[in-house]
Amino acid sequence: KAGVTQTPRYLIKTRGQQVTLSCSPISGHRSVSWYQQTPGQGLQFLFEYFSETQRNKGNFPGRFSGRQFSNSRSEMNVSTLELGDSALYLCASSRAGSYEQYFGPGTRLTVT
Amino acid sequence: GDSVTQMEGPVTLSEEAFLTINCTYTATGYPSLFWYVQYPGEGLQLLLKATKADDKGSNKGFEATYRKETTSFHLEKGSVQVSDSAVYFCALKEDSGGSNYKLTFGKGTLLTVNP
Repeated sequence: KAGVTQTPRYLIKTRGQQVTLSCSPISGHRSVSWYQQTPGQGLQFLFEYFSETQRNKGNFPGRFSGRQFSNSRSEMNVSTLELGDSALYLCASSRAGSYEQYFGPGTRLTVT
Repeated sequence: GDSVTQMEGPVTLSEEAFLTINCTYTATGYPSLFWYVQYPGEGLQLLLKATKADDKGSNKGFEATYRKETTSFHLEKGSVQVSDSAVYFCALKEDSGGSNYKLTFGKGTLLTVNP
């Protein structure tokens, strides 16, 4: 069974631009969560989607948004990029009712 | 809110040494506890889990026991290998009846095992 895939793997953007990251969960998984990983703050929860609805949201500004499609694929968008948004963005998927999350390899975003 | 505190690294050991990485947590109710491992350039992999008090999670020679009385979930391995070199994260999922998939992570501990 294919794992969680994220595209692109690497991205370089300029301050003020916006970016969209994509995540395809494991087949049959309906929950998709997003995390930001930085050396200073570690792993921080962004949001979680289930059946196209946002169920949980972390403490990030409104510049960070996401959505989920009917096939469970998810996208996250960051508008008006700041240097501090440089990070590894990880997506994780879960089966409904399971305690386990499966992570993708991440998208490395660099903002210059 | 919920939080996880794990020992600061880096930790450097020789092959076949005993490993302990301490993890304590603060949470209401009965959270589920996890250890994840991240190899260089990769995402996180679930190493082991425990969902209730006194449960012992184990995988690939690693073990951790859910201790509610001390709010701890320390990771141990009796004999580490060079291939165990990675960053280890302790994490919890709050007790919310299965409808909340938010994980709260510790800062991570870098383990380096030398031959």
